[in-house]
Amino acid sequence: EAGVAQSPRYKIIEKRQSVAFWCNPISGHATLYWYQQILGQGPKLLIQFQNNGVVDDSQLPKDRFSAERLKGVDSTLKIQPAKLEDSAVYLCASSLDPQVKFNEQFFGPGTRLTVL
Amino acid sequence: DAKTTQPPSMDCAEGRAANLPCNHSTISGNEYVYWYRQIHSQGPQYIIHGLKNNETNEMASLIITEDRKSSTLILPHATLRDTAVYYCIVRGGAGNMLTFGGGTRLMVKP
Repeated sequence: EAGVAQSPRYKIIEKRQSVAFWCNPISGHATLYWYQQILGQGPKLLIQFQNNGVVDDSQLPKDRFSAERLKGVDSTLKIQPAKLEDSAVYLCASSLDPQVKFNEQFFGPGTRLTVL
Repeated sequence: DAKTTQPPSMDCAEGRAANLPCNHSTISGNEYVYWYRQIHSQGPQYIIHGLKNNETNEMASLIITEDRKSSTLILPHATLRDTAVYYCIVRGGAGNMLTFGGGTRLMVKP
């Protein structure tokens, strides 16, 4: 079974530039998550999609971050404009159905963003 | 979701059992204990979860105390590939959200 795919794996930009990350979840997984992981910390949930609708985006800095999941499959996360503190690994995860009591999340390898 | 407390780091000799503790004293009756691990430069990986009974799978065993205020993840024969950050997470309720803390950095040494 193919895992969660993310691209690019690495990205270096200057502050105030924009950047986009792409995620392809495991086939058939209804729920998709974006996490931000700052060096030395655990991942922090940014946004959760159920199919193509947003379930939770309470921790997404909406003045600069946006995410979409058109057609309920692939997703993109965008930062515009980037700040130095956005340097982190951005992880995408997917799971089958959140209504199921136990629902394992499968994580992609992440995109490491460096903002200079 | 209840908060968890884990030691920041632990060492273990290769081939020995690694016992990783987690305190979750405010856990409520319908909350599960989950363990994930994150190997360097990879995304987190699910290991095991439990409610109140001890659980075992091909990767590890999970021992939950009777009062459910703490648990221990056991890797019975640690290998160098088990070197990773291990996260103990308490989750309950709808949405399947995982709230990660700082985790325990396990170093398995030859």
